[in-house]
Amino acid sequence: DAKTTQPNSMESNEEEPVHLPCNHSTISGTDYIHWYRQLPSQGPEYVIHGLTSNVNNRMASLAIAEDRKSSTLILHRATLRDAAVYYCILRKTGNQFYFGTGTSLTVIP
Amino acid sequence: DAGVIQSPRHEVTEMGQEVTLRCKPISGHDYLFWYRQTMMRGLELLIYFNNNVPIDDSGMPEDRFSAKMPNASFSTLKIQPSEPRDSAVYFCASSLSNQPQHFGDGTRLSIL
Repeated sequence: DAKTTQPNSMESNEEEPVHLPCNHSTISGTDYIHWYRQLPSQGPEYVIHGLTSNVNNRMASLAIAEDRKSSTLILHRATLRDAAVYYCILRKTGNQFYFGTGTSLTVIP
Repeated sequence: DAGVIQSPRHEVTEMGQEVTLRCKPISGHDYLFWYRQTMMRGLELLIYFNNNVPIDDSGMPEDRFSAKMPNASFSTLKIQPSEPRDSAVYFCASSLSNQPQHFGDGTRLSIL
């Protein structure tokens, strides 16, 4: 299984930026880095993904280290609705995902 | 635009009974995935299909579990006989080729 390591939990104040780190030292050259989040009582929801270059979309930004052994999901202004478990995942060939334990994000009003 | 549809949303049944979970993927998607989520083990990939063909079922816990995809718009995950340790939330997801996966809202299964 492709391994990723994330902190178990993080806190952020509302309307402040949040940087969620992920280590994936065993990443191979063809693995894409995906981020999903799971709100309470819902299925996981796609956030962003990338291969080598930094990526931006309407939800977040993804910063990928030059050696690709780590990445950071950036939420530019955390809201209460961003409280969720965030999963960093390496997508292997065949579109297989292996979810780790994720980071539980608490947003403080 | 309908997402992935799972049924039932909740299922409570007695140990030993057969359980069938259903999934309708997003139209046009060629990959379908079944996951199980528990507090102890987190989210686990059970099996996935490509163009209705099972590709990898190495995550299926044992022979009591089986999954089928008779056509591009329907899949089932069956547990027979069910046991209390099968209690979990089961998610179905679909994707188009190597694009992001879209998850359903899950089926919360309780085996008494």
